Amino acid sequence: DAMVIQNPRYQVTQFGKPVTLSCSQTLNHNVMYWYQQKSSQAPKLLFHYYDKDFNNEADTPDNFQSRRPNTSFCFLDIRSPGLGDAAMYLCATSRVGPGNQPQHFGDGTRLSIL
Amino acid sequence: AQSVAQPEDQVNVAEGNPLTVKCTYSVSGNPYLFWYVQYPNRGLQFLLKYITGDNLVKGSYGFEAEFNKSQTSFHLKKPSALVSDSALYFCAVRPVAGNNRKLIWGLGTSLAVNP
Repeated sequence: DAMVIQNPRYQVTQFGKPVTLSCSQTLNHNVMYWYQQKSSQAPKLLFHYYDKDFNNEADTPDNFQSRRPNTSFCFLDIRSPGLGDAAMYLCATSRVGPGNQPQHFGDGTRLSIL
Repeated sequence: AQSVAQPEDQVNVAEGNPLTVKCTYSVSGNPYLFWYVQYPNRGLQFLLKYITGDNLVKGSYGFEAEFNKSQTSFHLKKPSALVSDSALYFCAVRPVAGNNRKLIWGLGTSLAVNP
């Protein structure tokens, strides 16, 4: 089945130690999103790619970066994680077309900071 | 500012009873409307969407949603709740104008279905 896969499902890192989360998709969608979700709150969009075009949200901290080397893969880099960055990180994809295309989510990576 | 409201943090319903999870929005124009469900430690799953046409939209797992333009509401419904429906439900809206790649999210409603 076509899907969005996030690895790892659980990630533990140390305060200040860089960490990379990965997302891959077999849907061939041109848009990929990264969301941060804290304790059953609404997902907060960090940034998204439309093909290779990177779109950052105005309130996303500089500590968060992203790379999309090809259509299938997208990475979230946290350069110096702080305790406040502990959260679930969700990757999603969508197809560009009429605005009624839903987003398809992976199961997320839960990040813990020691 | 454009926004989506889910007025109930939590909804409790007995198994077999009908359920409603409410959503209202404040977005200009005729936006696209979505419902997603999130089970514990999982990503969000798309349930249904409203584009245009019939005000009653049918989706996955027996869920449906009723669009009311005059009340700018898009309430999620199910005629007979199951314990397995217990989850977190999010309403989301995509404005028609501007960047149509982003969603405006409600804060979510936790649904508990009691046996």
